[in-house]
Amino acid sequence: DVKVTQSSRYLVKRTGEKVFLECVQDMDHENMFWYRQDPGLGLRLIYFSYDVKMKEKGDIPEGYSVSREKKERFSLILESASTNQTSMYLCASSPYSGGTSTDTQYFGPGTRLTVL
Amino acid sequence: LAKTTQPISMDSYEGQEVNITCSHNNIATNDYITWYQQFPSQGPRFIIQGYKTKVTNEVASLFIPADRKSSTLSLPRVSLSDTAVYYCLVGSYNTDKLIFGTGTRLQVFP
Repeated sequence: DVKVTQSSRYLVKRTGEKVFLECVQDMDHENMFWYRQDPGLGLRLIYFSYDVKMKEKGDIPEGYSVSREKKERFSLILESASTNQTSMYLCASSPYSGGTSTDTQYFGPGTRLTVL
Repeated sequence: LAKTTQPISMDSYEGQEVNITCSHNNIATNDYITWYQQFPSQGPRFIIQGYKTKVTNEVASLFIPADRKSSTLSLPRVSLSDTAVYYCLVGSYNTDKLIFGTGTRLQVFP
């Protein structure tokens, strides 16, 4: 079974802190994604990556950056956390489909981040 | 961008068939339609994916009309354990964005 793990289930940070959310997948997937999930808004894509050192902006990249130095690891960075970034953050991975379909995305359990 | 619209919530009883419809009027030629299920405190889980007509697996069926502007997820004989949020996703890697709907919260009663 594909396993996607996230570094923390719960995280509390203060406004202005730099926050790192780590995601690791063990199935050699090319694609990795970061979403945030808020009540009434569903899942919104922040950033995704097709390959090591590659990244693409999603719907809501403002206030976030990402890093993918190794294939299995995709990090989400909040340079200066703000209260409106309090949310559930979900990481996902999927294999490369050749650009013809959306392959199954495998999600991690999520990190609930609270910014005070 | 193919934005999706789903009902916010639905109620059902055990043993009934449940149909959840997703509207995606601006779906692109290369877009596929995928449905995910999410339980509380878990990440979403893949249920089914299709491009056109009908797709069936051991869990659900997906009906897509010829114009592909909507799709319907059909869950046969639901049980209490099917209580979850169901998301409709439209997109492909040929577009820049992967769009999740806001989800439909299905509550199954005994």
